Amino acid sequence: EAGVAQSPRYKIIEKRQSVAFWCNPISGHATLYWYQQILGQGPKLLIQFQNNGVVDDSQLPKDRFSAERLKGVDSTLKIQPAKLEDSAVYLCASSLAGTSVYNEQFFGPGTRLTVL
Amino acid sequence: GQSLEQPSEVTAVEGAIVQINCTYQTSGFYGLSWYQQHDGGAPTFLSYNALDGLEETGRFSSFLSRSDSYGYLLLQELQMKDSASYFCAVGNNAGKSTFGDGTTLTVKP
Repeated sequence: EAGVAQSPRYKIIEKRQSVAFWCNPISGHATLYWYQQILGQGPKLLIQFQNNGVVDDSQLPKDRFSAERLKGVDSTLKIQPAKLEDSAVYLCASSLAGTSVYNEQFFGPGTRLTVL
Repeated sequence: GQSLEQPSEVTAVEGAIVQINCTYQTSGFYGLSWYQQHDGGAPTFLSYNALDGLEETGRFSSFLSRSDSYGYLLLQELQMKDSASYFCAVGNNAGKSTFGDGTTLTVKP
C-alpha cells in the first residue's frame, strides 16, 4: 500500500512569511496527526484529526498555526507568520483506528522547514 | 499531562545486547510504543505494549510494567544498521500520543 505522502520535502522562507504543508494519509486511515520535530527532540503533537474533526490541538500555537482536513482525507498545515523558532521538521502521520484505540502510526517523510 | 524520560545516548558493539529504558507519567494510560528513526528519516513503528510483560518481534523485544510506569526496548544481536534514534511514546485512552526525546544508539564495530 502507498505510504503517507507529504510535500514539499524542503522549504526555506524568511521570518514573517507564510508557508503551507500538505499531507495525504494512507487510504482508509481515519486519524491524521501533525507533529513538529525540532532537531534533537522527539516529535511534538501539534494537532490530531479524527476524520475531519479535531481531536486535540492543545499544543498548536493558534495565533500563527492553522490546520484543516477537508473531506476527512488530505490535510494542510499553515504557518502565518513564521518565526525563527518554527525551523523544524513537520511530520504527518496517520493511523487506522479511532481515538478510543491506540494504533500504529505511519509517518510520512516530513517537510524540513528553515526560517531565516 | 504526559511526560517521558529515556537516556539521551547509548553505545554498544556489534553483536551485543542493549536495553533502552523509558519511564513515563500520564493519566489514562493506554499503551507504550517504540519507534525507530534513522538520521533524516521518518519514525517507523517497532512495537507496542498495552499489558504487562514482554513482547518479542525478531531481534527486538519490548517490556512494560504498568505498576512501575516503566518499559524498555531490548535489541539483540546488534547490527550497524541499528544505529538510529529510538523513541518511546505513551498513548492515553483519548488516543493521544506523547513521544519522548529519544535515545541515540550508536553501534560500533
